[in-house]
Amino acid sequence: EVQLVESGGGLVQPGGSLRLSCSGSGFTFSNYAMHWVRQAPGKGLEYISAISTNSYSTYYADSVKGRFTISRDDSKNTLYLQMSSLRAEDTAMYYCVKDKDFPDCWGQGTLVIVSS
Amino acid sequence: DIVMTQSPDSLAVSLGERATINCKSSQSVLYSSNNKNFLAWYQQKPGQSPKLLIYWASTRESGVPDRFSGSGSGTDFTLTISSLQAEDVAVYYCLQYYATPWTFGQGTKVDIK
Repeated sequence: EVQLVESGGGLVQPGGSLRLSCSGSGFTFSNYAMHWVRQAPGKGLEYISAISTNSYSTYYADSVKGRFTISRDDSKNTLYLQMSSLRAEDTAMYYCVKDKDFPDCWGQGTLVIVSS
Repeated sequence: DIVMTQSPDSLAVSLGERATINCKSSQSVLYSSNNKNFLAWYQQKPGQSPKLLIYWASTRESGVPDRFSGSGSGTDFTLTISSLQAEDVAVYYCLQYYATPWTFGQGTKVDIK
């Protein structure tokens, strides 16, 4: 069974940092591009970052560019999102998404709350 | 960026009746080389992550009930629930994956009338 499990969320003060992880299982992780999508409480879905296979290319939404870094460790079947200079507006559920030519599988999400 | 606009924002349908959600993209998401529309539909229930229902605009994901169907091409798409069941109460999103960044519709909340 294909599964994605996010972790690393929590409460952090404005200006702080956090690293999210997404562990994949049930598929050959290295063969797939991976993405991060977030959802603020009660709001819609916002696409924030992506990484290709072999980490050849990355993408960042303007809202996180320069503050967030996406990476992957295919030997550990894990996707990461390093978040720094966090702001209140970064408060959201963060989902990792597997890209099987189309976005087919989402994790259950990890909640990040940025508050003093 | 491609802008995705769903309509309506919410709708209430009687059990067993048809529910129709529309999604319009600001530019075509049809890839001419393979004639595929890079458009997906998701269902999100409270406290859950989005669940894939439809991809390539009209291909139903394995395990999804056949009362869910997708149609359309180019810039105009529709998700139809042919006979609404109580478990279909959710927010539904369209997503274009034709171009980076992926972009989502704002969501349509479906309730029971």
